[in-house]
Amino acid sequence: EIVMTQSPATLSVSPGERATLSCRASQSISNNLAWYRQKPGQAPRLLIYGASTRAIGIPARFSGSGSGTEFTLTISSLQSEDFAVYYCQQYNDWPPLTFGGGTKVEI
Amino acid sequence: EVQLVESGGGLVQPGRSLRLSCAASGFLFDDYAMHWVRQAPGKGLEWVSGITWNSGIIGYANSVKGRFTISKDNAKKSLYLHMNSLRAEDTAFYYCAKALPRGGSKYYFDHWGQGTLVTVAS
Repeated sequence: EIVMTQSPATLSVSPGERATLSCRASQSISNNLAWYRQKPGQAPRLLIYGASTRAIGIPARFSGSGSGTEFTLTISSLQSEDFAVYYCQQYNDWPPLTFGGGTKVEI
Repeated sequence: EVQLVESGGGLVQPGRSLRLSCAASGFLFDDYAMHWVRQAPGKGLEWVSGITWNSGIIGYANSVKGRFTISKDNAKKSLYLHMNSLRAEDTAFYYCAKALPRGGSKYYFDHWGQGTLVTVAS
């Protein structure tokens, strides 16, 4: 099973600032990585797939990078709706598909 | 518009069974793999099970293997999760999720339902 590790667990930032979230895979997953944002009381929403491709309707302030085992999600200028929990997910191999433990972005 | 609506959650005693359903609309259900992902209250996401477009390949998390069964009825545009021998640790919101890419074999999720809560307690 591929283990996904996200850091930090909590990130404190101010609106308008840049946020950088990390995700590490226990073995190489090429670029088969997705990022999701989950607001309180809502289902997750796909942000990024293929490590760096924005999903439909996702604004340009979200960018993803990385390949192999190290990945980054960057939010260039945090908006109020971006204060949420972010998850990475590997889909290089299944079963199982695996998620990271999440990073909470808070004010 | 893609819609996924889960139902069937509720309070159930340990050791009992429950069947979750997910009604899909707004896309060609036949063509897509579908998955279940769960989230214990206040915790992270855990993949549970997935099924390919034609039910040819099915996978389970080790934590549910042998107890849960996923199925897909393309005629009814519905996904199911039969859960047997339920345990307290199965308590969670259960989401059905539409997988991409169409016809592919490496899955991420572009649409999710709103979730249905399963509580296992005596």
